[in-house]
Amino acid sequence: ILNVEQSPQSLHVQEGDSTNFTCSFPSSNFYALHWYRWETAKSPEALFVMTLNGDEKKKGRISATLNTKEGYSYLYIKGSQPEDSATYLCALSSNDYKLSFGAGTTVTVRA
Amino acid sequence: NAGVTQTPKFQVLKTGQSMTLQCAQDMNHEYMSWYRQDPGMGLRLIHYSVGAGITDQGEVPNGYNVSRSTTEDFPLRLLSAAPSQTSVYFCASSSLSLNQPQHFGDGTRLSIL
Repeated sequence: ILNVEQSPQSLHVQEGDSTNFTCSFPSSNFYALHWYRWETAKSPEALFVMTLNGDEKKKGRISATLNTKEGYSYLYIKGSQPEDSATYLCALSSNDYKLSFGAGTTVTVRA
Repeated sequence: NAGVTQTPKFQVLKTGQSMTLQCAQDMNHEYMSWYRQDPGMGLRLIHYSVGAGITDQGEVPNGYNVSRSTTEDFPLRLLSAAPSQTSVYFCASSSLSLNQPQHFGDGTRLSIL
């Protein structure tokens, strides 16, 4: 099991503002870092899978970066909208395909 | 376009009862897994499988059994339910490629009284 920490645990952001939060890991002994978006009463939905130091991925207003040397990944939401309200999960995959999840960051966008 | 299908969506059991949570996927994925989600904690891996006939334990396997007789199905069995097994259970699948995301079912909310 790989150690994954996410911070903050929750945050509130005003509609239209941008925000970011962190996934950190003490060891870079993993194959890939995953980000999932999890809306209440739905199933987690994959956002990004990143494998290389310096990787940057973007999907609409959401983007992510990976820094394996310093042990963190950032997820950015630009111009937050109410539909961005969700819990964002970070996970690390090892060579045996198992995922180790962080506890998540819950984002609430205020209209 | 079913994806990963879990049944039932909700279940209430009495302590000591047994039951099977069903999971089926139609994407021909080799890898399937079961997680439980508890408040304040991340998803924790219970059991996983990399193909038909192959299963292995995850982080929290005690009290649960699995089998993988076909590629499509990966049922999770609770042999003797305990209140500590009250949780939301998610099944997920993916191809056997390390840079592919997992696809999750809608979850089963299980309460043990």
